[in-house]
Amino acid sequence: GEDVEQSLFLSVREGDSSVINCTYTDSSSTYLYWYKQEPGAGLQLLTYIFSNMDMKQDQRLTVLLNKKDKHLSLRIADTQTGDSAIYFCAETGGAGNMLTFGGGTRLMVKP
Amino acid sequence: DAGITQSPRYKITETGRQVTLMCHQTWSHSYMFWYRQDLGHGLRLIYYSAAADITDKGEVPDGYVVSRSKTENFPLTLESATRSQTSVYFCASSKGPPGNQPQHFGDGTRLSIL
Repeated sequence: GEDVEQSLFLSVREGDSSVINCTYTDSSSTYLYWYKQEPGAGLQLLTYIFSNMDMKQDQRLTVLLNKKDKHLSLRIADTQTGDSAIYFCAETGGAGNMLTFGGGTRLMVKP
Repeated sequence: DAGITQSPRYKITETGRQVTLMCHQTWSHSYMFWYRQDLGHGLRLIYYSAAADITDKGEVPDGYVVSRSKTENFPLTLESATRSQTSVYFCASSKGPPGNQPQHFGDGTRLSIL
């Protein structure tokens, strides 16, 4: 079945760039998503990329997709304390094109 | 713009009891989904619905029942709750199929089964 892997934890200093990585196994993925979850809240859609693209930029967010290596990354420029949250990558593919989520990466931003 | 709302936000119940979690969306989205979030497993799909009166199983459907008599509501029922169903439950909706449209999530229901 499909599998999406993320590292558990990332710590950065305020003002630095953060890079959160994700690997997936389903080569038929159409869309790949990044969601943000703050404590006690649901998942907020941050950005997404279609599988025929290799980069998408949206203000401080840059998504890079390497289809050959099945690797997705989210770069947050000028990371702020308000960016502290859990970040989930997700891909659509497999039976019914359902979303498969990674386990989430907890980003901690130190002042 | 109310979006997608879940109720209750918190629920404590006992094993063997029936409990229903509510989900309501105001966007008239066709698709609705139920996920559970557990440490070490991320989010896993329980059930989904492509339209009113159409539902289908996800990855972990056992012990759950859903219905969709109206487009805007998608309740999830645990018919006889077990401790292993203690989790945070998220409802989501999307305008179209998962491969084409992003999903939008509610704030979750934290369910504890004693």
